[in-house]
Amino acid sequence: GAGVSQSPSNKVTEKGKDVELRCDPISGHTALYWYRQSLGQGLEFLIYFQGNSAPDKSGLPSDRFSAERTGGSVSTLTIQRTQQEDSAVYLCASSPQRGAYEQYFGPGTRLTVT
Amino acid sequence: SQKIEQNSEALNIQEGKTATLTCNYTNYSPAYLQWYRQDPGRGPVFLLLIRENEKEKRKERLKVTFDTTLKQSLFHITASQPADSATYLCALVLHMDSNYQLIWGAGTKLIIKP
Repeated sequence: GAGVSQSPSNKVTEKGKDVELRCDPISGHTALYWYRQSLGQGLEFLIYFQGNSAPDKSGLPSDRFSAERTGGSVSTLTIQRTQQEDSAVYLCASSPQRGAYEQYFGPGTRLTVT
Repeated sequence: SQKIEQNSEALNIQEGKTATLTCNYTNYSPAYLQWYRQDPGRGPVFLLLIRENEKEKRKERLKVTFDTTLKQSLFHITASQPADSATYLCALVLHMDSNYQLIWGAGTKLIIKP
């Protein structure tokens, strides 16, 4: 079956612009995660959605970052007024349900803020 | 402070030999530990999960050990092949209240030389 897809694969934007990153999780997966990965760094947790529960936003680095998940499926991560330090690869992952289950990752979106 | 460490230097191994990667952590009490493989330009791919009460887990040429006293996990690839070359990430799974949180290492780059 289809895996997790993300779009765009690459995004170059000017400092101060807003960007939207999209994630299509595996059908039927109730858990969805967003991570940020900078070169040579581990994955930095951003936000977690589980079913209809309130999302865990504890990893969002600032109020410029927000995310939503519509209909329990597709998710959009929005970064407002982008800064150069936002440049990174943004990874989305889904999982069958909450818990210590394996996560299935998308290919990521490489964001470059100039 | 709490941290998770993987060898930041690349590990070069001769084809056919066993590759051993290390994941050390401090001040965490993980319920589980996961290992993932990441190829350039791709998201991580789940390999193995080991529980805190398990000493060892095997899957084909892969073996993971988990020593909660030493706070260390070892990841072994036997009969290594050039196709095993990738970055390997460990992730601690912390069970807090009714939530699970993953803490990721930065990964170790493994290079298998033919």
